[in-house]
Amino acid sequence: EVQLVESGGGLVQPGGSLRLSCVGSGFIFSSHEMNWVRQAPGKGLEWVSYISGGGSSIYYADSVKGRFTISRDNAKSSLFLQMNSLRAEDTGVYYCARSAMVPCLDVWGQGITVSVSS
Amino acid sequence: DIQMTQSPSSLSASVGDRVTITCRASQSISVKLNWYQQKPGKAPKLLIYSASSLQSGVPPRFSGSGSGTDFTLTISSLQPEDFATYYCQQSYTVGITFGPGTTVDIK
Repeated sequence: EVQLVESGGGLVQPGGSLRLSCVGSGFIFSSHEMNWVRQAPGKGLEWVSYISGGGSSIYYADSVKGRFTISRDNAKSSLFLQMNSLRAEDTGVYYCARSAMVPCLDVWGQGITVSVSS
Repeated sequence: DIQMTQSPSSLSASVGDRVTITCRASQSISVKLNWYQQKPGKAPKLLIYSASSLQSGVPPRFSGSGSGTDFTLTISSLQPEDFATYYCQQSYTVGITFGPGTTVDIK
């Protein structure tokens, strides 16, 4: 079964850091571009970051540029999101999502909650 | 950035109704348009990719059309499990963007 499982969320104070992880299984992880997408409480979906299969191409949304870092370890079928200088507006559910060969997000993790509050 | 809009933002419908949701891009995106369904507390699910291709396992009552800037998602006969929020998403640029969503609820 093709699956993505996120971990690492939690409650953090403003200005703090968190590192999210996403482990893929059931597919050749290195063959797929990967993304992080988030959803604030009661709001819509917001793309956060993209990384190519080999990790050489990386993009960020303007809202997180300079604060978040995406990376991957293909040997461990893992995707990461290092989040620094967290703000209240970063609160929400974070999803890792696989890019299909046709550009779309065809597999999603179950989501992990990040809460930024004092 | 490419901006996506959807209409309506919400609609009420009955089981068996034909439902149409519209998505518009701020510039031409060819057919690089995808549709997702999301139920409360769940991850989004891919329904349609490349504007009109049905994702494997998705019932054929779902269909998509359009190209350029204007796109449509149609549910031919609404079923109880279709009450959810629907998002369009452009994949023309690496920095993908989603529409604001359309919530379909029970009339």
